[in-house]
Amino acid sequence: EVQLLESGGGFIQPGGSLRLSCAASGFTFSDYAMTWVRQSPGQGLEWVSLIYSDGKHTYYSDSVRGRFTISRDDSKNTLYLQMNSLRAEDTAVYYCTKDLFCGGGSCVGAADWGQGTLVTVSS
Amino acid sequence: DIQLTQSPSFLSASVGDTVTITCRASRAIGTYLAWYQQKPGKAPKLLIYSASNFGSGVPSRFSGSGSGTEFTLTVSSLQPEDFATYYCQQGHTYPITFGQGTRLEIK
Repeated sequence: EVQLLESGGGFIQPGGSLRLSCAASGFTFSDYAMTWVRQSPGQGLEWVSLIYSDGKHTYYSDSVRGRFTISRDDSKNTLYLQMNSLRAEDTAVYYCTKDLFCGGGSCVGAADWGQGTLVTVSS
Repeated sequence: DIQLTQSPSFLSASVGDTVTITCRASRAIGTYLAWYQQKPGKAPKLLIYSASNFGSGVPSRFSGSGSGTEFTLTVSSLQPEDFATYYCQQGHTYPITFGQGTRLEIK
């Protein structure tokens, strides 16, 4: 059974940094692209960042590019999201997802989702 | 960025009804379209990928169709557990984008 367990969320002041982690199990982590998706309170879903299985190809939404960094450690079956220069509008539940397939600049869909971790940015 | 527009944004229906949600893309995305269901306080669940393929364990009353710029999700014979919010997502071009969501409520 695929399990994705996010951690690292919390309350942080504007301008601060947080690192989210997603511990994966139940599948061969190194074979899959992984994505972070967020959802602000009462709002819709927003794609944040994607990393291919090779760990070299990374992509970001315009709203986080230059502030957030996605990475993975296949030896630990863990996905990360380093979030710097946090803003109030980054307040959201952050979900880690396992993609069905990504390649050639396209993705098919997110097959599995974690339960999410809440990040609150406020003074 | 590719914009996805879902219609309607809100839908009221009864158990046993058949409903259809439409997702329109601002430019052609082939069949790189997925549908998700989200219930309050829960993570989204993949229903349909590649426009018409079932996610794991998805009941056959859910179906997806379309290509290019127009896609539909149909839910036949609505069950009480189907009342939720539905999102489409395009994966054709980065950044990946979602529709604004369709909230399906029980009448």
